[in-house]
Amino acid sequence: GDSVTQMEGPVTLSEEAFLTINCTYTATGYPSLFWYVQYPGEGLQLLLKATKADDKGSNKGFEATYRKETTSFHLEKGSVQVSDSAVYFCALSEMNRDDKIIFGKGTRLHILP
Amino acid sequence: DAGITQSPRYKITETGRQVTLMCHQTWSHSYMFWYRQDLGHGLRLIYYSAAADITDKGEVSDGYVVSRSKTENFPLTLESATRSQTSVYFCASSTTSGITDTQYFGPGTRLTVL
Repeated sequence: GDSVTQMEGPVTLSEEAFLTINCTYTATGYPSLFWYVQYPGEGLQLLLKATKADDKGSNKGFEATYRKETTSFHLEKGSVQVSDSAVYFCALSEMNRDDKIIFGKGTRLHILP
Repeated sequence: DAGITQSPRYKITETGRQVTLMCHQTWSHSYMFWYRQDLGHGLRLIYYSAAADITDKGEVSDGYVVSRSKTENFPLTLESATRSQTSVYFCASSTTSGITDTQYFGPGTRLTVL
């Protein structure tokens, strides 16, 4: 079945460092891909999404490119801030597949000042 | 604009008790979802609803019951709580099923079963 695998955390970086959080997926068709972020004590909120191959989603300095050839959707940011400390979830949803979204297990990110 | 709210935010109960977690959204979204979040498992879908009076099971539905008599409300009931149901529960909604649409999450309910 469909699945999402993301790198295990926690990931600890210094402020202004470059961030990559890896996400790969397994799907039989052509899924839409998402990154959600969960700040401490809050629910998840959409960070960015891409609906077809080679699309790039971007928001708040974060980017991710839908790579069908490598079945990946890695999250990147050029210069992280302390306020980026959160848990990040990669997710997919596939047309005509039970109308649900599948989440990865989440990657906790700590940014040190 | 209240968005999506959950109550209570924190709940402690005992094994065997019935517990109901409430979810309310003000957007008139068609779809609503219940997830549980546990360390090492990420988010797992418990139940979802495509519209009022239409519900369907998710990945981990055993021990849970839902209803949706009104579009804006989607309560989740633990019929006889067990320790394994200690978790953080999130309600979410979307205009479609989330295939290409955004899911909007509530702030969560932290449930502890003693």
